[in-house]
Formats: sequence, C-alpha cells, structure tokens
Amino acid sequence: NAGVTQTPKFQVLKTGQSMTLQCAQDMNHNSMYWYRQDPGMGLRLIYYSASEGTTDKGEVPNGYNVSRLNKREFSLRLESAAPSQTSVYFCASSVDQPQHFGDGTRLSIL
Amino acid sequence: RKEVEQDPGPFNVPEGATVAFNCTYSNSASQSFFWYRQDCRKEPKLLMSVYSSGNEDGRFTAQLNRASQYISLLIRDSKLSDSATYLCVVNYAGSARQLTFGSGTQLTVLP
Repeated sequence: NAGVTQTPKFQVLKTGQSMTLQCAQDMNHNSMYWYRQDPGMGLRLIYYSASEGTTDKGEVPNGYNVSRLNKREFSLRLESAAPSQTSVYFCASSVDQPQHFGDGTRLSIL
Repeated sequence: RKEVEQDPGPFNVPEGATVAFNCTYSNSASQSFFWYRQDCRKEPKLLMSVYSSGNEDGRFTAQLNRASQYISLLIRDSKLSDSATYLCVVNYAGSARQLTFGSGTQLTVLP
C-alpha cells in the first residue's frame, strides 16, 4: 500500500526555470493538499482540492499553480522558479482527518 | 501573531522523564485539534487527536482548554524513540478540512 507518492524526491533548479511536482494517492481520498515547510515556519498550505475538479488557494499560493488531474493525482507547478521557493514540499490527502502525507520533495532554487 | 504558537525548544530530557509541550491558538472558531509528530527529514504523521474532555493514548496525554485557547501534550516515561518534532495542529470551523500547523517543538530524549 503506497499511500501518498511524491516525485521527484529532490530537485535543483535555476531561477526562472519551471517544473511540476507530482503527487498521487491510492487511498481513494477526495481531498488533496500541497504544503511547503520552511525552517521555523511550520507547514503552510499552498493549494488544496476538496474534490476532483475543484481547487482553492491556501495561505501562500503566489507563484504556484495546481491541477487536480483526477481523483488520484494532484500536481503543483512552478512557472518561473524563484530562490524564495526553496523549500520542502509535502503533498497530503484525506477523507476527513487525519491527513496522510507523502515523504516530501526537497527543492532548491539557485 | 502566529495563528498557532508553540515553544520551539529544543527540549532535551533523559530517558524516563516526563515532558510537557504547550500550544496556543488565536482563532476562537477553532473546531478540531491534533498533535502530529515529525521525525527528522520525514513527513508529519498524526500522533493523536485532542478532545475537549482530554484524552490519553498510552504514555501520551492531550488536554484542551477552549477558554484559554490552549492545548497541551504530556509524554510520560520518555523513550529514545520519542525524539522528534511535535506539531500542534488546528482545524478552523468553516475551513473545510484545512489544517493550520504550529512550527513545532523539538524533543530529544537522551540515554
């Protein structure tokens, strides 16, 4: 049982490059989430999707876009990466509570 | 002011000690409360929910004081394996299933 799978696990980008972080869950959960975690800041919600076909902004959506491709998959796109987006990114899914997290993507923007 | 505030620590305690973590939240419309555990460079995982009457799970006891907007976690008989960062998490009424995380309290249990 894979749970929540994120790819890639590590990535280094140059400023201005774009990339998509992938997330897939096999628990048939309706809701999916993208967070970023920075030192001393805790996890902050970027975007979430309450159900297939819907997405909403979280606390820190600027510079990101998302796509809920189907019930299983929820991707996060950085169109023009900036050093301030260096962070650890977590995807999560849930029916209600608790949320189940993937093991994260460590992203560095140079 | 952060919506969910925790003492960042670090707390360094000997094996077998009892340690308590505190957390305050600013939004009185908060509905659900949780403690998550995060090991170094790993994903957060639910440790326990926090109920109004207080609840216990083995060596772990969680308390909620809605009047003071305060949540606590008590760990008794600390084990080396309890070393982790403990995240206080709040779900606000009307925010669907969105969670607001504290920045965490780091615990190291020493042999």
